[in-house]
Amino acid sequence: GQQLNQSPQSMFIQEGEDVSMNCTSSSIFNTWLWYKQDPGEGPVLLIALYKAGELTSNGRLTAQFGITRKDSFLNISASIPSDVGIYFCAGAGGTSYGKLTFGQGTILTVHP
Amino acid sequence: KAGVTQTPRYLIKTRGQQVTLSCSPISGHRSVSWYQQTPGQGLQFLFEYFSETQRNKGNFPGRFSGRQFSNSRSEMNVSTLELGDSALYLCASSKTPDGGELFFGEGSRLTVL
Repeated sequence: GQQLNQSPQSMFIQEGEDVSMNCTSSSIFNTWLWYKQDPGEGPVLLIALYKAGELTSNGRLTAQFGITRKDSFLNISASIPSDVGIYFCAGAGGTSYGKLTFGQGTILTVHP
Repeated sequence: KAGVTQTPRYLIKTRGQQVTLSCSPISGHRSVSWYQQTPGQGLQFLFEYFSETQRNKGNFPGRFSGRQFSNSRSEMNVSTLELGDSALYLCASSKTPDGGELFFGEGSRLTVL
């Protein structure tokens, strides 16, 4: 099925560094969401974006809804070891009725 | 506030058997969605229910079915299990009428032998 192009696929960084990841799509979305998933757990919603151009922060996390509505990025500032996990972007159409299109995920490893 | 609760967390079945997974959404959430997560295909949408009605369905065979009860709790069933059905099955609930912003449970890990 349709998927979002999420990059990078993996990142290895030192504690304290900033991280940036992004998603692009050939389709327009009305909502962009960012999730984090730890091993053996379900995805946890980090940030939800509803408007083109919107920039939203949640603590050390900042995400933006691209102006074209076909892309979004997530930044994590001053990374800490507990940031380790898989980060997913997801897009929803106008009337999604539960259907999100997910990116392939970015595996983040933080070295202390 | 309790999150989305899924049971069982882990189960092992053999080919040809069937399985039923249960999901209790966040209190007040009426939209419940199901996803299959595998290493190869990632997160794939199965179906969504709202007020006991299936409003949306993904591209899965008819062996995958679901239902929702009047208290918004939901179950999904997979019949005639195949090895490829081994996956993490995730339930998510949403407070928004269009079911866009999803909150996921911890999942049910199904292994088919």
